[in-house]
Amino acid sequence: SQQGEEDPQALSIQEGENATMNCSYKTSINNLQWYRQNSGRGLVHLILIRSNEREKHSGRLRVTLDTSKKSSSLLITASRAADTASYFCATDSGANSKLTFGKGITLSVRP
Amino acid sequence: DAGITQSPRYKITETGRQVTLMCHQTWSHSYMFWYRQDLGHGLRLIYYSAAADITDKGEVPDGYVVSRSKTENFPLTLESATRSQTSVYFCASKAGHTEAFFGQGTRLTVV
Repeated sequence: SQQGEEDPQALSIQEGENATMNCSYKTSINNLQWYRQNSGRGLVHLILIRSNEREKHSGRLRVTLDTSKKSSSLLITASRAADTASYFCATDSGANSKLTFGKGITLSVRP
Repeated sequence: DAGITQSPRYKITETGRQVTLMCHQTWSHSYMFWYRQDLGHGLRLIYYSAAADITDKGEVPDGYVVSRSKTENFPLTLESATRSQTSVYFCASKAGHTEAFFGQGTRLTVV
């Protein structure tokens, strides 16, 4: 089964609003990562948070990690129409750095 | 050109045929991965490799074979293609417990 599970599956918001996406996972991790995928394209890395970190920021992105609950959230502030894409969380686990993904969240930002 | 490239980008093959998808990266990253992406399933890990001559099964390895004789190449072979293997295949690489870089994908159709 897949390691990460994102929630919600789909999210539709108005431009300028904040978008919050959640991810839960099952086993211990080295780090957790978020990726973005535009339709028909490859995945692009957004942000990485290590297992000993609780919060990280990058531009309009804020990610939190709660290892006791095995969960993470990604906040995109002041969303733009260009943020419309699919977003995936991925967990890096084990000595061999296995990277597994969830099913993804489809974000639609209405202009 | 530096980066990670997959070939071919598109492939149509017949049921029962053997087909090999190629993946090449120029960074000498230790870790390489193969995923398949299907609607409703997100990205599922097929095989991964921590170094040359070291490979491990992912979530959905049945029907696939990999090899890694050189650090920069990680070919994925479908020994006898089935219609259920129609999918978009992504290769990725990373240096360690770090971000992964993805190829543009191979769209495979088995008829």
